[in-house]
Amino acid sequence: AQSVTQPDIHITVSEGASLELRCNYSYGATPYLFWYVQSPGQGLQLLLKYFSGDTLVQGIKGFEAEFKRSQSSFNLRKPSVHWSDAAEYFCAVGADTGGFKTIFGAGTRLFVKA
Amino acid sequence: GAVVSQHPSRVICKSGTSVKIECRSLDFQATTMFWYRQFPKQSLMLMATSNEGSKATYEQGVEKDKFLINHASLTLSTLTVTSAHPEDSSFYICSATRSYNSPLHFGNGTRLTVT
Repeated sequence: AQSVTQPDIHITVSEGASLELRCNYSYGATPYLFWYVQSPGQGLQLLLKYFSGDTLVQGIKGFEAEFKRSQSSFNLRKPSVHWSDAAEYFCAVGADTGGFKTIFGAGTRLFVKA
Repeated sequence: GAVVSQHPSRVICKSGTSVKIECRSLDFQATTMFWYRQFPKQSLMLMATSNEGSKATYEQGVEKDKFLINHASLTLSTLTVTSAHPEDSSFYICSATRSYNSPLHFGNGTRLTVT
């Protein structure tokens, strides 16, 4: 079965600083990888996804993520964080294991300080 | 595009009553819908997978008689929490997808409080 690990429960960065959120996955084949963002009391919004091809994927709001098969990682990055980026970020892996499922990591809460 | 509407956004009910939550894909046909439960400051826990016209597939540990899921059409799935108890209080989120390898589109969630 697939699994997702987000090692950092929360991260604090200064506005304008760069950001990297870590995500490691476990799955026997190449999975479908996603990053979602959730604002308080809201549903989730897709930031970006990786299915195949170029391992560096661009998403909305200036985010990007890089798939590294050798490290089983799919870290999310942003060169300059804005205060509005403060939210909960979830890495997710989708796989067809006798039925397609998307499993979410525990999430990383991003705090942005002025 | 790809809007998912979830209703109601908040509901308060008394212990022992049933509550129905609706999840609609407004501008696409959702072959599959998923229901998640999220506890405060925690990740989403997949409860069940709902395919149009067939019975839902429940995750281990989820009581199918308590959490009734119906996916009657390609645009509507409902979750009914039967005989609700205070421990059922939680944030329930639905998501919908066009196909198995498409991203999920989420509703805004339903905050259920059972008193």
